[in-house]
Amino acid sequence: GQSLEQPSEVTAVEGAIVQINCTYQTSGFYGLSWYQQHDGGAPTFLSYNALDGLEETGRFSSFLSRSDSYGYLLLQELQMKDSASYFCAEGGSYIPTFGRGTSLIVHP
Amino acid sequence: DTAVSQTPKYLVTQMGNDKSIKCEQNLGHDTMYWYKQDSKKFLKIMFSYNNKELIINETVPNRFSPKSPDKAHLNLHINSLELGDSAVYFCASSTRDRREAFFGQGTRLTVV
Repeated sequence: GQSLEQPSEVTAVEGAIVQINCTYQTSGFYGLSWYQQHDGGAPTFLSYNALDGLEETGRFSSFLSRSDSYGYLLLQELQMKDSASYFCAEGGSYIPTFGRGTSLIVHP
Repeated sequence: DTAVSQTPKYLVTQMGNDKSIKCEQNLGHDTMYWYKQDSKKFLKIMFSYNNKELIINETVPNRFSPKSPDKAHLNLHINSLELGDSAVYFCASSTRDRREAFFGQGTRLTVV
């Protein structure tokens, strides 16, 4: 079956850089999406990678290596408001599988 | 102006009851989804509905059934509710390439 693995928790301090990794095993892989979810809120889309390489959107960047079945989300200049859960997910699929989420805790 | 809206936001009901959650999107998207998020925040896809074609996650009990009266709506019906159905249910829709999904605010279902 489809599966995406990511760490359950990551902690960092304000202003730092943090990387959240995601490895996947899926058939018919289209691409990798990333979502952010604050407690009590809905997931919101951050980025999508269809091809190998880095995609940059402001403080957030996402990377994909299809040959390694691996991707990551890079958050720079961390702010307290970045404390949230981050999910990698199959993008492009009709039945997208999500990873179990990484809880990012940002300390002052 | 809300892109994906679902109602109700909270639903408390007794075991054995039948309930529905409504979802509407005004983004003109072709694909809509229902997700279940459990207490450990695991997001599980339940259904995908695209141009009248329903794709079902085979692990979903047949007590759950989506109904789409038109392209902008995908409602979720749940029969004979069980305690284990307690969770947050999210409706979502996506662009044609399905790269980006827009989620509703969620419905917290509590079965007592």
